[in-house]
Amino acid sequence: GAGVSQSPRYKVAKRGQDVALRCDPISGHVSLFWYQQALGQGPEFLTYFQNEAQLDKSGLPSDRFFAERPEGSVSTLKIQRTQQEDSAVYLCASLLVANTEAFFGQGTRLTVV
Amino acid sequence: AQSVTQLGSHVSVSEGALVLLRCNYSSSVPPYLFWYVQYPNQGLQLLLKYTSAATLVKGINGFEAEFKKSETSFHLTKPSAHMSDAAEYFCAVSGAGGGADGLTFGKGTHLIIQP
Repeated sequence: GAGVSQSPRYKVAKRGQDVALRCDPISGHVSLFWYQQALGQGPEFLTYFQNEAQLDKSGLPSDRFFAERPEGSVSTLKIQRTQQEDSAVYLCASLLVANTEAFFGQGTRLTVV
Repeated sequence: AQSVTQLGSHVSVSEGALVLLRCNYSSSVPPYLFWYVQYPNQGLQLLLKYTSAATLVKGINGFEAEFKKSETSFHLTKPSAHMSDAAEYFCAVSGAGGGADGLTFGKGTHLIIQP
């Protein structure tokens, strides 16, 4: 596609429910990042992939968060047993290679009730 | 370690007036610096970036920013505000790698344009 696509755009989950957020990067982009943006805050780094390899997951807030990119293209961010504090916008960004411009998707707004 | 401080969570200017959004950074390596704009329910759009070339950087929509190493600043300016500039603006820093180590964002400045 022409840009980074994220789905769903909006997700309401009951506390304790598992959710999966999808990111379709720009075709051919090697690097992929996930960020979490809480209300009224700037995005914060969660994890980074280079192709299928997850090179940095230091930003994942707990072991309930898991990300994968098995074929080096589409990535999924999974949150198990969601909590209210997980409510945020989750942004995905892809780069052709490291050191180039990051292109952001529109994000998935997760609301945990 | 890197950090970004944006002074003023909200800035209000009149249409046609000068826009000045402040950003100070901290970085242990030569930084790459970025300004992004975010419209409601949208992702982040790159306005401009500094990557160690010219210290005065021109971006889209008439915005520019000047890298001042001595002040560790990268303030964003626009000579004449337009109603369509109303949005959230984020300053961000990354290491000299520019991408592999991710972006560290400030908390954002909400720009309000008064008619």
